[in-house]
Amino acid sequence: GIQVEQSPPDLILQEGANSTLRCNFSDSVNNLQWFHQNPWGQLINLFYIPSGTKQNGRLSATTVATERYSLLYISSSQTTDSGVYFCAVPIQGGSEKLVFGKGMKLTVNP
Amino acid sequence: ETGVTQSPTHLIKTRGQQVTLRCSSQSGHNTVSWYQQALGQGPQFIFQYYREEENGRGNFPPRFSGLQFPNYSSELNVNALELDDSALYLCASSLVGGSGYTFGSGTRLTVV
Repeated sequence: GIQVEQSPPDLILQEGANSTLRCNFSDSVNNLQWFHQNPWGQLINLFYIPSGTKQNGRLSATTVATERYSLLYISSSQTTDSGVYFCAVPIQGGSEKLVFGKGMKLTVNP
Repeated sequence: ETGVTQSPTHLIKTRGQQVTLRCSSQSGHNTVSWYQQALGQGPQFIFQYYREEENGRGNFPPRFSGLQFPNYSSELNVNALELDDSALYLCASSLVGGSGYTFGSGTRLTVV
């Protein structure tokens, strides 16, 4: 089945710093989602981004489907950005059933 | 617009027991998916329901079963609980052809 790899696995930043998270996937996909899991366990959908670039405030994401990767940029990080970031792609085709990466734990210190 | 709500939030069960977890979908969503997230791992797909029928299943044994009701709410049932079933169980609703999931806050199940 499709494999999803995220890097780096852990990242510690000072407030105000910028970061880039990477997601590689092993097969062609027609959608990709980025999620943030807060310390209470809730997964928040950040981006639904099959290709191209989207921006939402301090966050932006770029997916290059032909090269099988996606990047999540966090600018001017805040302590509330702490948590685990996941990317996820469909198990197959246009399915809504997702395969998640192992996640990237971000800690933003004041 | 209501989000996805799950109940209970926490649960402790004994090995061998049975458990039922509940999920209310976001208004307007017709598909419900369940995921299991072990500590330190990404969520793993258990199964999905669409129009009250199972619409795909991950690599989970038959003792994991589910239901979807006409109002699109859903249940996850696990029989003969094992210690390894201890995890965060996440429910997500979506709209077929839509643009992504809405997740609930999860039920944290501990099997002792």
